[in-house]
Amino acid sequence: GNSVTQMEGPVTLSEEAFLTINCTYTATGYPSLFWYVQYPGEGLQLLLKATKADDKGSNKGFEATYRKETTSFHLEKGSVQVSDSAVYFCALSPGTSYGKLTFGQGTILTVHP
Amino acid sequence: DTGVSQDPRHKITKRGQNVTFRCDPISEHNRLYWYRQTLGQGPEFLTYFQNEAQLEKSRLLSDRFSAERPKGSFSTLEIQRTEQGDSAMYLCASSPPPRLGNEQFFGPGTRLTVL
Repeated sequence: GNSVTQMEGPVTLSEEAFLTINCTYTATGYPSLFWYVQYPGEGLQLLLKATKADDKGSNKGFEATYRKETTSFHLEKGSVQVSDSAVYFCALSPGTSYGKLTFGQGTILTVHP
Repeated sequence: DTGVSQDPRHKITKRGQNVTFRCDPISEHNRLYWYRQTLGQGPEFLTYFQNEAQLEKSRLLSDRFSAERPKGSFSTLEIQRTEQGDSAMYLCASSPPPRLGNEQFFGPGTRLTVL
């Protein structure tokens, strides 16, 4: 079956540091890949997505590239801010029309001033 | 533009009681999903509706769980004879028809505590 594995957290960084959160997946076919973010006290929000190999998703300074050869979709940001403190979830949906999501376990990010 | 709404936001119940949660998707989203999220874990898929038809149910959805979407708009998730292991956040998401994209929009969730 499909599965998503994220790097274990929590991750603690100083403001303006470089961020990488690793995500690898197992899936048949050609899944779509997503990063969702959950800010404290809020619901899940889509951060970025990529629907085919070599696509790069980007939003709010975050980027992730769909690497089929390494089955990875690592999240990066060049300079994090305190406001980026949240839980980040990597997820995939299968290459079918209805898009049931399979999530990783989440990575807690804390950014200090 | 209203997002996905869920009611109630919090529910505390005693073991053995029945509970029902409601989800109102974004208008014109014909696809609706229920997920369950326990502390420290990512959401896990429970069930999926396309319009009023329930097209998939996870094996996580025991026979104590039932979901409906009678008119293809709002959905309800009922848990009968609740157990302490049912304590979790129950999330609802909706998405438009496939031709308009596969992004799922999540509601704020219903946090269930079974005492």
